Formats: sequence, structure tokens, C-alpha cells
Amino acid sequence: KAGVTQTPRYLIKTRGQQVTLSCSPISGHRSVSWYQQTPGQGLQFLFEYFSETQRNKGNFPGRFSGRQFSNSRSEMNVSTLELGDSALYLCASSWGDRGLNTIYFGEGSWLTVV
Amino acid sequence: DAKTTQPNSMESNEEEPVHLPCNHSTISGTDYIHWYRQLPSQGPEYVIHGLTSNVNNRMASLAIAEDRKSSTLILHRATLRDAAVYYCILRDLTNAGKSTFGDGTTLTVKP
Repeated sequence: KAGVTQTPRYLIKTRGQQVTLSCSPISGHRSVSWYQQTPGQGLQFLFEYFSETQRNKGNFPGRFSGRQFSNSRSEMNVSTLELGDSALYLCASSWGDRGLNTIYFGEGSWLTVV
Repeated sequence: DAKTTQPNSMESNEEEPVHLPCNHSTISGTDYIHWYRQLPSQGPEYVIHGLTSNVNNRMASLAIAEDRKSSTLILHRATLRDAAVYYCILRDLTNAGKSTFGDGTTLTVKP
């Protein structure tokens, strides 16, 4: 069974640009969540989608957005990139959105903003 | 959101047991306790989870206090491959989507 797949793995963008990151969850998983990880802030929750609906959102500015498609694949977008957006962006999927459901992480997308 | 508190770092000798503590004094009755670990340059991976009773799996054991305000992840025989950051998180029964990760515990295993 394939794991959570994130693309691209590495990318470099310039300040002011926008970026789209993609996540393919494990087959059958309906919940997808996104996290930002930086050395100084640790793992920060961005948002969570379940059956194409955003159910939870973290404390990030509106420049960070996402969506989930009918096949559960998800994308997140960051507009008007800032240097501080340089981070590892992790996607995680889960069969359901219940506390007993295990979440499975992808290897992440490393974003560098210059 | 209920938060967890873990020591920043711990050390262990190879092949010895390791007890990683986690405090979650504001846990609600519907929160599941999950443990994940993150190896260098990888996404976090699931270790174990439980609600009230102690749990065992091939990777580790989870001991949950009777009042559920704390828990301990037990690695029975630490190996060098167990060196990682260990996160204890709470996931609500009915709305687990917003999982809050703390800073975790960095486990160093000495040969």
C-alpha cells in the first residue's frame, strides 16, 4: 500500500512568488492535514480537510490556503511568499477524522524562499 | 485545545529501556493519546496510541496514568535507530483534525 506522497520534494522560490504543493493521501483515506515545520517553531498545524471540506484551520495568515479534491488529493498554496515561509511542509492523511484514527505523514516538501 | 508537555531531551544507552514521559493535565475525556516519532529528514511516524488502558505493540508500550493526566512511552530495548524526536499529542474523539504537536522530546541513544 503506497504511503502519503508529496510533490515536489524540494523547491526554491523568490520572495513575492506563489507556490502550490501537492499531497496524495493513502488510498481510502479521506482526511488530509497540513503542517509547517521550522527549526524555531516546530510542527505547526495549518489546516485539515475531510471529504473536500476544510474542518479545521490553524493560526496562519490568509496567504496560506488549501483545498481537497473529490479523490481526496489535496493541494496547499502560499501566495506572496516571504522569507519566513521557508520550511518543511508536511502532509498527513487519515482514514477518518476521529481521535482513534492514526495519521500517516508524507516525507514533506522542502520550500526555500530567497 | 488541550496541550502536552514533554522534556526537551533524554538520553539512553543502547539495549536499555527508555521511559519517555508526557504530561497532559487538561486532557478531556474524549481525547486519545497518540505518540509519533520523527527521524532526521523524515516525516513523523506513528508509534502507538491509547485512550484509558495501557497498550502494547511491536514498537513500544504506552502506560496511561489512572487519571489520564500523564502517560509514558516505553521503548523496551533502545537501539540506535530509535534516536528521534518523540511527540505526544492528543486527538479528540469526534474532531481529531486539529492535532497540536508540542516541541517533543529528542531522544539520544548512546552505543
